Order: sequence, then C-alpha cells, then structure tokens
Amino acid sequence: DARVTQTPRHKVTEMGQEVTMRCQPILGHNTVFWYRQTMMQGLELLAYFRNRAPLDDSGMPKDRFSAEMPDATLATLKIQPSEPRDSAVYFCASGWEDRNEQFFGPGTRLTVL
Amino acid sequence: AQSVTQLGSHVSVSEGALVLLRCNYSSSVPPYLFWYVQYPNQGLQLLLKYTSAATLVKGINGFEAEFKKSETSFHLTKPSAHMSDAAEYFCAVRVSSGGYNKLIFGAGTRLAVHP
Repeated sequence: DARVTQTPRHKVTEMGQEVTMRCQPILGHNTVFWYRQTMMQGLELLAYFRNRAPLDDSGMPKDRFSAEMPDATLATLKIQPSEPRDSAVYFCASGWEDRNEQFFGPGTRLTVL
Repeated sequence: AQSVTQLGSHVSVSEGALVLLRCNYSSSVPPYLFWYVQYPNQGLQLLLKYTSAATLVKGINGFEAEFKKSETSFHLTKPSAHMSDAAEYFCAVRVSSGGYNKLIFGAGTRLAVHP
C-alpha cells in the first residue's frame, strides 16, 4: 500500500532555530505539493514541484522558507530562522499531474516556542 | 477567481441520521470538484471527485455528492451516519494557474456524530 511519508511527525523547537521537514512521495508520482494548515488560515499551498522542478513557491515567505527536491524520493521544506507564527501542521502531497487526485502524507506538527 | 465556500464550520448529527455537508463553488469554467476527509492527526484523504462526467458521484465509505450547476453546489451526503464518520471534511476546486493545476480548499466542516 503506497503512501506518502513525512518526518518528523512532531517537532518542537525554539524561535530562531532551523527546521527541516522531509517528505517521501509515492514512487512514480511526478508532482509534489507542500501545504500548511492552521486554525486561522486553513490549508495554504506553499510550494509545487513537477518532475522535481519548483514551479510555484509563491505561497512561501521567501526570506525564511525554502523547498527542494534533491531527488525523486525526497522533498524537503526548510525554515530558517523559525518563528512562533510558523507553528502549524505541514503536509506534503504527491500525485500524477494528468490525474485529479493528491495523496497526502500524515503531516509534521511544528511548534515554535 | 475560482473558489469554494463551505457553509457551516461544525455539523452535529445523531448516529444513523442523514449527513449533509454543504459546498458552493465559484467558477467561470466547468469546475473539477473534490471532497476530502481528514481524521484526527492524519492527512487528507480523497472521498470523491467530480470531473464533468456523471453529476451524481459516489465515493468511499457510503458518501456521495451531486453536482448542481444551477445552484453552483456540490453538497456531500450520506444516508446514515456512523460514529467513524466523525472527522473534518474539505471541499476543493481545481484551479489552472501558471501552467499547472492546483487545489483551492474550503475552510472545512467538522462533523460530530453522537450516539
């Protein structure tokens, strides 16, 4: 049963520290999405990759967030430096571009103190 | 701009009762619409999708939704609620922008099922 995996599942850190979240998309999928979920803003799209190339990161705060896909099996989302307002659940999702479904990972719950 | 609006952030039903979760869309082109479910501490899971074929779409776990163009609605229903249906439900519309397709999600409706 193929699934999107995310690590870590929970992360507590202090303001100013670097945070790296990892995602392993489902093998064969050619698109990867990063989302952030908060009570106030709901689900927000942060970044989108197609065939490992970043096509849209307009949803990310450029000065502190970065997203990469070093290879087809790994996507990373990095926050440096982290701030309390970054506290949220971050989801990765993958899919095939020509189909209409995204498969979500279980999320990383980030708390920045 | 394409968007979805979910009416009611919280819905509570009795076990065995009808479930009705409302979603209205705004789109200048024929929309692709989706319902996702999120169980506690999990990611979103696709329940069903409308892609301009049959207007009545059946999904997993006994859920279905009907696309009504005249009402710009895509409400989610289930004839008989089960305790395990307690979760948050998201309606979404596919938007084509910048050369790719992305999903715009509604704010979500939290469904509570009581005995």
